[in-house]
Amino acid sequence: DQQVKQNSPSLSVQEGRISILNCDYTNSMFDYFLWYKKYPAEGPTFLISISSIKDKNEDGRFTVFLNKSAKHLSLHIVPSQPGDSAVYFCAASAGHSGGSNYKLTFGKGTLLTVNP
Amino acid sequence: GAGVSQSPSNKVTEKGKDVELRCDPISGHTALYWYRQSLGQGLEFLIYFQGNSAPDKSGLPSDRFSAERTGGSVSTLTIQRTQQEDSAVYLCASSVDRERDEQYFGPGTRLTVT
Repeated sequence: DQQVKQNSPSLSVQEGRISILNCDYTNSMFDYFLWYKKYPAEGPTFLISISSIKDKNEDGRFTVFLNKSAKHLSLHIVPSQPGDSAVYFCAASAGHSGGSNYKLTFGKGTLLTVNP
Repeated sequence: GAGVSQSPSNKVTEKGKDVELRCDPISGHTALYWYRQSLGQGLEFLIYFQGNSAPDKSGLPSDRFSAERTGGSVSTLTIQRTQQEDSAVYLCASSVDRERDEQYFGPGTRLTVT
């Protein structure tokens, strides 16, 4: 049973345009969400996170939106750059609601390709 | 500073053999995690160490899997009597503590069981 779902295995975007990566979750105990970026032959690197008490968190070109009622979050990258081409993983953890706040549950990832 | 390192980067082993995978976390990080990523899947939590507390082994898929963390630093993941379904990338991560700090990942060990 996949608790974190990234339904698009791949996404292709033109340089300079917006990239929108989506993630859905089923576990209502999740209250902290993270996005990781992964290049080939490297480990995932942390990108941005959001707590369930917020609905938006912005860091430079990256913004994460959280819709708790829909159990949906999205990562917006604008403007997209060729160096953003990587696999993006959505992850979630449960903390304040009583679960373990250190186990991250990951989605399967979305391969983003930004074309010059 | 140095990041999380893992060795070996690649390991090919025959079915039934034991393997040991090593992780050196970032200095000063008290929390250490092991995950694995099978082909086409997301990262699957295996085990978590925090300081001197008993590890959380709830993600280990079978009793063939075990892990140690010596001196609160280096960790070794051991897989006994490897099976083909154990083939995956094994990733180690560390964080400053358990309170919501982002986890810093190593490059992983790609294990292939033939």
